[in-house]
Amino acid sequence: GAGVSQTPSNKVTEKGKYVELRCDPISGHTALYWYRQSLGQGPEFLIYFQGTGAADDSGLPNDRFFAVRPEGSVSTLKIQRTERGDSAVYLCASSPQGRVVAGGGEQFFGPGTRLTVL
Amino acid sequence: AQSVAQPEDQVNVAEGNPLTVKCTYSVSGNPYLFWYVQYPNRGLQFLLKYITGDNLVKGSYGFEAEFNKSQTSFHLKKPSALVSDSALYFCALANQAGTALIFGKGTTLSVSS
Repeated sequence: GAGVSQTPSNKVTEKGKYVELRCDPISGHTALYWYRQSLGQGPEFLIYFQGTGAADDSGLPNDRFFAVRPEGSVSTLKIQRTERGDSAVYLCASSPQGRVVAGGGEQFFGPGTRLTVL
Repeated sequence: AQSVAQPEDQVNVAEGNPLTVKCTYSVSGNPYLFWYVQYPNRGLQFLLKYITGDNLVKGSYGFEAEFNKSQTSFHLKKPSALVSDSALYFCALANQAGTALIFGKGTTLSVSS
């Protein structure tokens, strides 16, 4: 079956611009996660959705970052007034169950969107 | 605070030799630990997890990991390395809320023929 897909695969933008990154999770997966991976680092948690609601957004670095999942499937990560420090690979993952101890630790990752802010 | 450390940036082994990729963690309470692998131009893939029970956990592709509570470690092992095992390996720990994974920096495994 289809895995997690992310579009675009690459995004180059200028400082101060607005960007949207899209994630299509595996069908039927109720949990969806966004992570950010900087060069030479492991993925860093941003936000977790259970269904349509953001169950944990404690990883969003500031109010320029926002994510939605209006119908409980596709999610969009939105970044306003981009800064050079936002350059990273943004990863999306989904799992059939949300909480890690209930099985949500086995997350299925997409290939990522490489964001470059000039 | 919870954290995961992978003390080695790179591990080099010859094909056929055993391999170990090290991971240590810090958490209050019971740890929920994971290993993921990232092949070039591919997404992160789940290898194995420790939630509770037997300290030796078996996973995909012949990998296993040993949970050691006294040493707060969760090292990844394989008895006989393959060239195709060359990849970037991440150890991860569930956060206290159980809502996300905290990843280490990663260890590059290079297996030579």
